[in-house]
Amino acid sequence: QVQLQESGPGLVRPSGTLSLTCVVSAGSINSHWWTWVRQPPGRGLEWIGEINPSGTTNYNPSLKSRISMSVDKSESQFSLKLNSMTAGDTAVYYCARMISGEGIDYWGQGTLVTVSS
Amino acid sequence: DIQMTQSPSAMSASVGDRVTITCRASQALYDYLAWFQQKPGKAPKRLIYAASTLQSGVPSRFSGSGSGTEFTLTISSLQPEDSATYFCLQHNNYPYTFGQGTKLEIK
Repeated sequence: QVQLQESGPGLVRPSGTLSLTCVVSAGSINSHWWTWVRQPPGRGLEWIGEINPSGTTNYNPSLKSRISMSVDKSESQFSLKLNSMTAGDTAVYYCARMISGEGIDYWGQGTLVTVSS
Repeated sequence: DIQMTQSPSAMSASVGDRVTITCRASQALYDYLAWFQQKPGKAPKRLIYAASTLQSGVPSRFSGSGSGTEFTLTISSLQPEDSATYFCLQHNNYPYTFGQGTKLEIK
């Protein structure tokens, strides 16, 4: 089955930029939508945005001014950048696969990102 | 944004009980609604998609129903391994939104 694995720094300084990568294995990145979701400690899940293999993106308007996503089909991975980080961005960040009409089917294990000086 | 109101936020039930969790949407979703189970430290696992389609490999005691604005996840006979947090996801409109989650404990 499809496997997704996030990687990136566990600690980001305030006002810094978060860069996360998600590697897709046992499945092709050349179809479907690839998604980022986050969950602040003790709070609910928030959809960040998605990208398809052609590089078309859809972002959450609440974060749109601070995020960018990219896809590297040759490396079977996709990435998230979130700038101007604050303590409010501290969360577990998940990558996931989205199938049109079916929603998310596979998730990564998640990576905790803490914003602190 | 579509608001997803999930209830209850927490509950406790006994093995063998029938359990129902509800997600209400602020706008109609057709059937673009999925249910997930999450255990501590683990990735979420999809149980139901398209409101009522059981994910392959998921026990048949789990079922989903509803359309429009009200959706239900039912566990017909609760098992000890069902202790987890459950949440819904609407993917009919951007931005996609989640229910706040239901923490289910076994008595």
